[in-house]
Amino acid sequence: AQSVTQLGSHVSVSEGALVLLRCNYSSSVPPYLFWYVQYPNQGLQLLLKYTSAATLVKGINDFEAEFKKSETSFHLTKPSAHMSDAAEYFCAVISGSTGNQFYFGTGTSLTVIP
Amino acid sequence: DAGVTQSPTHLIKTRGQQVTLRCSPISGHKSVSWYQQVLGQGPQFIFQYYEKEERGRGNFPDRFSARQFPNYSSELNVNALLLGDSALYLCASSLGDRSTDTQYFGPGTRLTVL
Repeated sequence: AQSVTQLGSHVSVSEGALVLLRCNYSSSVPPYLFWYVQYPNQGLQLLLKYTSAATLVKGINDFEAEFKKSETSFHLTKPSAHMSDAAEYFCAVISGSTGNQFYFGTGTSLTVIP
Repeated sequence: DAGVTQSPTHLIKTRGQQVTLRCSPISGHKSVSWYQQVLGQGPQFIFQYYEKEERGRGNFPDRFSARQFPNYSSELNVNALLLGDSALYLCASSLGDRSTDTQYFGPGTRLTVL
């Protein structure tokens, strides 16, 4: 079975500070992992994805995530938060054995304090 | 190029009614997936269609059904609506049905059941 756990449903950071959003996965087979962002009243936008190539994945808007198999983690980071980063962030896993059906976490709401 | 489009944007129904939601994938994409996102939660997989065939089904009752047309657009039907069906319904399209095929999400249809 596949699942993801996002630690912290709400995270607040100051503008310019490091952003760290946590995601741990559970998968019986090598996983593909994704981070999506959702702005209010909008759909999901892909930030980055890990598909068994480089373990450090760079995405849009200076976001990056590192796949750590030993820790079953795929945490999302950004060196310097911007006001426009305030949104809901979702970690998701796909198991190759089930096509491209996503299993999403419950989301982390990021607030950026000016 | 146009992204994934969904219609209608918002919909209000009463319990027991039936609803049809529509999705047009990105041009050239042959796979469409449907997700239900209840307020405060991550999206949950409902269906995937590829080349007009059902490729996956989530843990949803038979009141939920879908189909894909020759032009790869898709409809999601929900019968005998319940209050708990109130949610944002997201459609995602991808080129194929492989795990590595990037999925692009539409803006969603907000369904309110009274």
